[in-house]
Amino acid sequence: GQQLNQSPQSMFIQEGEDVSMNCTSSSIFNTWLWYKQDPGEGPVLLIALYKAGELTSNGRLTAQFGITRKDSFLNISASIPSDVGIYFCAGLLSDSNYQLIWGAGTKLIIKP
Amino acid sequence: SAVISQKPSRDICQRGTSLTIQCQVDSQVTMMFWYRQQPGQSLTLIATANQGSEATYESGFVIDKFPISRPNLTFSTLTVSNMSPEDSSIYLCSARGSGELFFGEGSRLTVL
Repeated sequence: GQQLNQSPQSMFIQEGEDVSMNCTSSSIFNTWLWYKQDPGEGPVLLIALYKAGELTSNGRLTAQFGITRKDSFLNISASIPSDVGIYFCAGLLSDSNYQLIWGAGTKLIIKP
Repeated sequence: SAVISQKPSRDICQRGTSLTIQCQVDSQVTMMFWYRQQPGQSLTLIATANQGSEATYESGFVIDKFPISRPNLTFSTLTVSNMSPEDSSIYLCSARGSGELFFGEGSRLTVL
């Protein structure tokens, strides 16, 4: 079946550092979504990307839809303590249904 | 955006019992889904809850184990039947509205 390879699996960073994570696949996607999940909560949508090459920002977050439609990255600039959590990428293969393919998640930990 | 409420938020259950999780959306949505998130894992789609008809289950999930109801456009239930410790997970309800996928906060089940 389709798979998304998300990396890194976890990141230990200092407050104020920039963060980058990405997802790749052998399949072509119509939509890429980036979610954040805090402990004890459901995932919350951060950024949605709908076109190849699209670059979208949401505050300190920036995400891009790769031009091959097989990858996407998420950058977080100047990280702060509330950025800790698990970030998931998810891809939509078709607009006919809404069954997402999920990455395994990137756990972000900020060193004190 | 849609606000999704799930009940219960957490429960501890005995082996062999069944538990029904309720999902209420604050607006009418076209599609509702149920996911499972096992400890340390990404989300796995259990089924699409179809209004007025039987749910559509993903590979590895069956109606006898996870019966689902969706009597209207704002409400759905998922039952986890004859539970075993392997069913200990977070169960998440999600709904598609305005082109986005929203999630409830999840129901954390622990089966002893």
